[in-house]
Amino acid sequence: NAGVTQTPKFQVLKTGQSMTLQCAQDMNHEYMSWYRQDPGMGLRLIHYSVGAGITDQGEVPNGYNVSRSTTEDFPLRLLSAAPSQTSVYFCASSVAGNSPLHFGNGTRLTVT
Amino acid sequence: RKEVEQDPGPFNVPEGATVAFNCTYSNSASQSFFWYRQDCRKEPKLLMSVYSSGNEDGRFTAQLNRASQYISLLIRDSKLSDSATYLCVVKPPGGYQKVTFGTGTKLQVIP
Repeated sequence: NAGVTQTPKFQVLKTGQSMTLQCAQDMNHEYMSWYRQDPGMGLRLIHYSVGAGITDQGEVPNGYNVSRSTTEDFPLRLLSAAPSQTSVYFCASSVAGNSPLHFGNGTRLTVT
Repeated sequence: RKEVEQDPGPFNVPEGATVAFNCTYSNSASQSFFWYRQDCRKEPKLLMSVYSSGNEDGRFTAQLNRASQYISLLIRDSKLSDSATYLCVVKPPGGYQKVTFGTGTKLQVIP
């Protein structure tokens, strides 16, 4: 019963460093997405994908890249970390249509 | 106007009380609606889907009003364990494109 798996759970980066947040799902979901959550801001969509090879920008895409080479994986790349990217990141997936999103446990990222 | 709007609260209610939250949405073509619960910045967890005819799951009742473009969540006989943030989620037609979350309504049930 893996569902949506995010790694790492916690990460501390220095300004300017790069890293990749991993997200994998084993439910054969077409739709995958990345959100960040900051106090008082709710969940904001960074990038999403409706299938392998197809990605699109969400509400706050700047500073982040994604790719979707397989149905299962949807990594989020921070190219040059900034303190403004300190946040909790959630990956979520769903089938198309009227199905709900399933979330991973989140990655807590601090950029110093 | 925001795509999805919720009263952030907090709603402080005594145990056993009934409490209701509303969530308004701007896209009249929105297809699917859900309520999620989130505890202390853990991942959101699905509480219930919202169906056009309204639906109930134990102490929880969800309603959809398409004419006025809002959904509601009613919690009866509140428990201490109901204390959490409740997120309203709206999915566009077809299930693709971006899924929009409300900022959440915080509920605190008091002994």
